[in-house]
Amino acid sequence: DGGITQSPKYLFRKEGQNVTLSCEQNLNHDAMYWYRQDPGQGLRLIYYSQIVNDFQKGDIAEGYSVSREKKESFPLTVTSAQKNPTAFYLCASSIEGIAGVNEQFFGPGTRLTVL
Amino acid sequence: AQSVTQLDSQVPVFEEAPVELRCNYSSSVSVYLFWYVQYPNQGLQLLLKYLSGSTLVKGINGFEAEFNKSQTSFHLRKPSVHISDTAEYFCAVREAYTGTASKLTFGTGTRLQVTL
Repeated sequence: DGGITQSPKYLFRKEGQNVTLSCEQNLNHDAMYWYRQDPGQGLRLIYYSQIVNDFQKGDIAEGYSVSREKKESFPLTVTSAQKNPTAFYLCASSIEGIAGVNEQFFGPGTRLTVL
Repeated sequence: AQSVTQLDSQVPVFEEAPVELRCNYSSSVSVYLFWYVQYPNQGLQLLLKYLSGSTLVKGINGFEAEFNKSQTSFHLRKPSVHISDTAEYFCAVREAYTGTASKLTFGTGTRLQVTL
């Protein structure tokens, strides 16, 4: 089955620690995205990548870092510089340049809690 | 830049009643519009999308939405809701025809609560 997997589903971190969230897709999509979801605020874009070895900051990139070494993988690192990291993190992917497509497909999410 | 407003944070409705979830957007360029549904602790699933053509768009689970350019709205409707429709619904917009990564701007969501 094609889709997007995120792991782990739940993650606990102590203050001051970096943590990496995994996102893998087997849809052969070029573009991948990371969003943060907080209650009552909808989804906010952290980083996105259009192709391998390239990525751009979204609206709330401070305290986060990403890499895109492979087409199917787009891990997100939440660093100790992120002041309020407790949130639900969603990864998505999309394929561009094909008429009638354009939507993003989402993974099941990772809930990060800082203790 | 685009923005999306979902005026209703919560919409309570009885089962088998009709429902409308409101979405208004702002943009200086042509846009594509989307509605996504999110069940508790899950990712988002696409309900429907408007890219061009007919302004009435039909989606999954009996939902439909109408694009109104003059009112910059894309309201979601269902004639008869079911308990299983209880979820969070997000409206999203992106710039049309860019050919690059489809950066979406999301509304803050509307929680649809269906009761017996």
